[in-house]
Amino acid sequence: NAGVTQTPKFQVLKTGQSMTLQCAQDMNHNSMYWYRQDPGMGLRLIYYSASEGTTDKGEVPNGYNVSRLNKREFSLRLESAAPSQTSVYFCASTRDSPEQFFGPGTRLTVL
Amino acid sequence: DQQVKQNSPSLSVQEGRISILNCDYTNSMFDYFLWYKKYPAEGPTFLISISSIKDKNEDGRFTVFLNKSAKHLSLHIVPSQPGDSAVYFCAASAVRGSNYKLTFGKGTLLTVNP
Repeated sequence: NAGVTQTPKFQVLKTGQSMTLQCAQDMNHNSMYWYRQDPGMGLRLIYYSASEGTTDKGEVPNGYNVSRLNKREFSLRLESAAPSQTSVYFCASTRDSPEQFFGPGTRLTVL
Repeated sequence: DQQVKQNSPSLSVQEGRISILNCDYTNSMFDYFLWYKKYPAEGPTFLISISSIKDKNEDGRFTVFLNKSAKHLSLHIVPSQPGDSAVYFCAASAVRGSNYKLTFGKGTLLTVNP
């Protein structure tokens, strides 16, 4: 089992460019989550998907969109990247408990 | 308003001694608490958790204590080892109807010196 995988590992964008961060899990988990981690800020929830076909906003959703493509995959899209979106992005999943499993992260820099 | 607070950004202890990491919360709806460990350039990994119906949970060298009246929990690591050096995040969830969303503290960097 690969667990939770994220692509890409690193990305540099210019202001205004768009990109999609990919996340997949092979643990048959129902719920998936996107977080961002900034220095001194802990992890903050961007969006989550409680089950296939549903998505909801978290604490910091502005500037992002998500797609729950199927049970395995949950993508995060930045339509017009801004320097304030420079961060490390983590995807997580869980089956039916608060104990979430995290991916290795995507380090994004927006110039 | 921070609902989960880790007031110590860093902690340094000697190998073999006890490490105590603290966490406070303000939301009375939280009923499940977790500790995650994070090494640089890796994702957080689950360490130990506790339900609000308990006041202690132990797993090997790791023990979490919960004081509901004080809205305080702590993670004890005994004995501390250099490999325990990492950032530790406290997290909380209001399990019922929350879709298992977690609220994280800002983390505490633990350094265990040989």
